[in-house]
Amino acid sequence: DTEVTQTPKHLVMGMTNKKSLKCEQHMGHRAMYWYKQKAKKPPELMFVYSYEKLSINESVPSRFSPECPNSSLLNLHLHALQPEDSALYLCASSPGPSYEQYFGPGTRLTVT
Amino acid sequence: QKEVEQNSGPLSVPEGAIASLNCTYSDRGSQSFFWYRQYSGKSPELIMSIYSNGDKEDGRFTAQLNKASQYVSLLIRDSQPSDSATYLCAVNPDGGTSYGKLTFGQGTILTVHP
Repeated sequence: DTEVTQTPKHLVMGMTNKKSLKCEQHMGHRAMYWYKQKAKKPPELMFVYSYEKLSINESVPSRFSPECPNSSLLNLHLHALQPEDSALYLCASSPGPSYEQYFGPGTRLTVT
Repeated sequence: QKEVEQNSGPLSVPEGAIASLNCTYSDRGSQSFFWYRQYSGKSPELIMSIYSNGDKEDGRFTAQLNKASQYVSLLIRDSQPSDSATYLCAVNPDGGTSYGKLTFGQGTILTVHP
């Protein structure tokens, strides 16, 4: 089973709201990732967690705050977003950082 | 700047033909290579991974890697209309501070027409 789940599927939020995206995997993978994808563009890496520790932050604005409560869960906390942050947010996991990454279905975020 | 280049297409092939997708990368130290398929509005789906020089076959898909030429390709045999999608080439560096940071190409749009 190579399933990564994400909730919610869709999210509409105002610029003053606080919301969270959730990601879960039960494959025993030790690396988890957040990506942002705009239309007709490839996924753009935001954060990498390796063995539950943040190993890569791609200079993401502080209005995005990742959290890895345990090896199966990954959250992305959102606060004071801008309309240009509207995108498909993808979570992925892999057995380790050098291995194939499996993507979840994504959360379609709209910031109004 | 580590880059992955793909022909954006669109690549159009008739049903039953072989579709050939190509990718070049700039980081000579890259160690692992992946092909993802992405349907419109959906998330990327892993279809092939390749780690060493040569060919790797899985059903109708064959990935080919040539590290000396810094080239990786994907062949789809007996193409079907359901193969119509964007194909993303992704490359993983060989460690260091970029470990786990996939670099994606811009994707090739494939259309298989009946």
